[in-house]
Amino acid sequence: DTGVSQDPRHKITKRGQNVTFRCDPISEHNRLYWYRQTLGQGPEFLTYFQNEAQLEKSRLLSDRFSAERPKGSFSTLEIQRTEQGDSAMYLCASSLSDRGILETQYFGPGTRLLVL
Amino acid sequence: AQRVTQPEKLLSVFKGAPVELKCNYSYSGSPELFWYVQYSRQRLQLLLRHISRESIKGFTADLNKGETSFHLKKPFAQEEDSAMYYCALSGRSGGYQKVTFGTGTKLQVIP
Repeated sequence: DTGVSQDPRHKITKRGQNVTFRCDPISEHNRLYWYRQTLGQGPEFLTYFQNEAQLEKSRLLSDRFSAERPKGSFSTLEIQRTEQGDSAMYLCASSLSDRGILETQYFGPGTRLLVL
Repeated sequence: AQRVTQPEKLLSVFKGAPVELKCNYSYSGSPELFWYVQYSRQRLQLLLRHISRESIKGFTADLNKGETSFHLKKPFAQEEDSAMYYCALSGRSGGYQKVTFGTGTKLQVIP
């Protein structure tokens, strides 16, 4: 296992199109997080999963955004009807949860989205 | 609500000089605090966490609940320390753990 992977690494799309990103976490990790990072900012939390259950969604996540983790392994993040403001780096992280304590999150390389 | 503030966008120090990267937080409960680092063209990675009370690559950070700070320190900066550093807080919000990152400080170590 080489760590968290994300696909694609870069995506250019036209405004109004739908895009989908994939994240493959470290295999034994039960928690998976999605973040968005814009220039000059730190990662902003979007949502996270414990196994296949989506436990929390940020208010940043409008109804155009949806995330799934159907089998508790990989996850997808879909953005519908993209807007220029969606241009950002989308980061995925995974961790192994134990007793509710936040453990180390391992980050993927990110998917950079540019909406024209 | 939880918030993390890193007041400096850029910190430049000479090699061998002491480093202090500031982090202040706002959180009503007992926070878990972290420092993450991102070297050029690499992914974000954990540097250290306050509950471990460890020193990684010569860096230490002490949680000061009175001042609500978690500053990152190193007595002698090295060129390879040049990177982007993010302070992060994990706390319970709405019943679930949530992680909030600061805006980051770019550390530039001048040879």
